[in-house]
Amino acid sequence: GQQLNQSPQSMFIQEGEDVSMNCTSSSIFNTWLWYKQEPGEGPVLLIALYKAGELTSNGRLTAQFGITRKDSFLNISASIPSDVGIYFCAGPDSNYQLIWGAGTKLIIKP
Amino acid sequence: DSGVTQTPKHLITATGQRVTLRCSPRSGDLSVYWYQQSLDQGLQFLIQYYNGEERAKGNILERFSAQQFPDLHSELNLSSLELGDSALYFCASSVAYRTSGTGELFFGEGSRLTVL
Repeated sequence: GQQLNQSPQSMFIQEGEDVSMNCTSSSIFNTWLWYKQEPGEGPVLLIALYKAGELTSNGRLTAQFGITRKDSFLNISASIPSDVGIYFCAGPDSNYQLIWGAGTKLIIKP
Repeated sequence: DSGVTQTPKHLITATGQRVTLRCSPRSGDLSVYWYQQSLDQGLQFLIQYYNGEERAKGNILERFSAQQFPDLHSELNLSSLELGDSALYFCASSVAYRTSGTGELFFGEGSRLTVL
């Protein structure tokens, strides 16, 4: 079946640094979604992408839909402590069920 | 607040027991999804209901079952519990029959199950 590979698995960064993570697949996706899960909470949608090449921002977050439709990238600029959490990419398969990446855990060094 | 309510928030039980987790979706949402998240793991899709009918099944064990009631709330039943069933169980809801449009799922805060 379709799979989404997220990398890196975890990131240790300093406050103020920029962050980049990505999600790749061997299959084409027509929608890419980025969710964030904070400790003790359920995931929340951050950004949704619907067109190849699309670049969408949400505050300090920017996500891109790769032109091959097989990848997507999420960047966070000038990270702050509240950015900690797990970031998941997701996309619907041919049956419109969401396929989820394994997540990128963001940890900010004190 | 996502509008999705899950109870209980925490549950501790013994191996071999049976528990029921409850979910009330957002007002107006017809689809309910159940996910399992083990410690430091990703989200494993278990099952989806739409307007009372089973819509899709993921990696749900035969010991687990779910249903969606006429008032659209859903229950996940976990039986013959094993240590490995300890996890966070999330319910999510959406308006649509399928993940289309924004594809947005609204998640509850989860029910943390500990099996001792």
